[in-house]
Amino acid sequence: LAKTTQPISMDSYEGQEVNITCSHNNIATNDYITWYQQFPSQGPRFIIQGYKTKVTNEVASLFIPADRKSSTLSLPRVSLSDTAVYYCLVGGSARQLTFGSGTQLTVLP
Amino acid sequence: DAGITQSPRHKVTETGTPVTLRCHQTENHRYMYWYRQDPGHGLRLIHYSYGVKDTDKGEVSDGYSVSRSKTEDFLLTLESATSSQTSVYFCAISESSQMNTEAFFGQGTRLTVV
Repeated sequence: LAKTTQPISMDSYEGQEVNITCSHNNIATNDYITWYQQFPSQGPRFIIQGYKTKVTNEVASLFIPADRKSSTLSLPRVSLSDTAVYYCLVGGSARQLTFGSGTQLTVLP
Repeated sequence: DAGITQSPRHKVTETGTPVTLRCHQTENHRYMYWYRQDPGHGLRLIHYSYGVKDTDKGEVSDGYSVSRSKTEDFLLTLESATSSQTSVYFCAISESSQMNTEAFFGQGTRLTVV
């Protein structure tokens, strides 16, 4: 299993772009990179997933460099409601859906 | 939202008593998972199921058993609850085991063992 490392916490202000980087140095060829978001007292929710280069959806963008040893989740113009824990997952199988401690993002007014 | 219902949502039980948590889905997804979440540990996989009567252990399976007699139900049993099993338990489902398949989570069950 590819081990992931991400910052424990980050603070930002409303309207700013937030970038959360995840390191996964031993990522395997078949592994995908997936990000989940979790609000207090709720289960995690899928945000975005990618294999290489850049992926964008209505919520976020995911940047993956060519060596795939890291990835960056980008949240454009965050609001207070984006305050949550963000998890980076790496794996080739959902049986290996392993969550670390995640990054607590706090958006300040 | 995906049709996942966990029951009960909250439970307080005494040490040594058996406890069963239920996860019910209406999505007909093949894969189902039980996680526990504790402060500082993120979510840790307890058991998962890849079909009716097909289950396997996760990283923290000691003290837990599971059963899946129907596609829609995945039960987690604590045979003899201990205080260390006080936690928030989440059920998840996915259509396949491939990593590029989105997993959907339930709302969680807060279990307190006193």
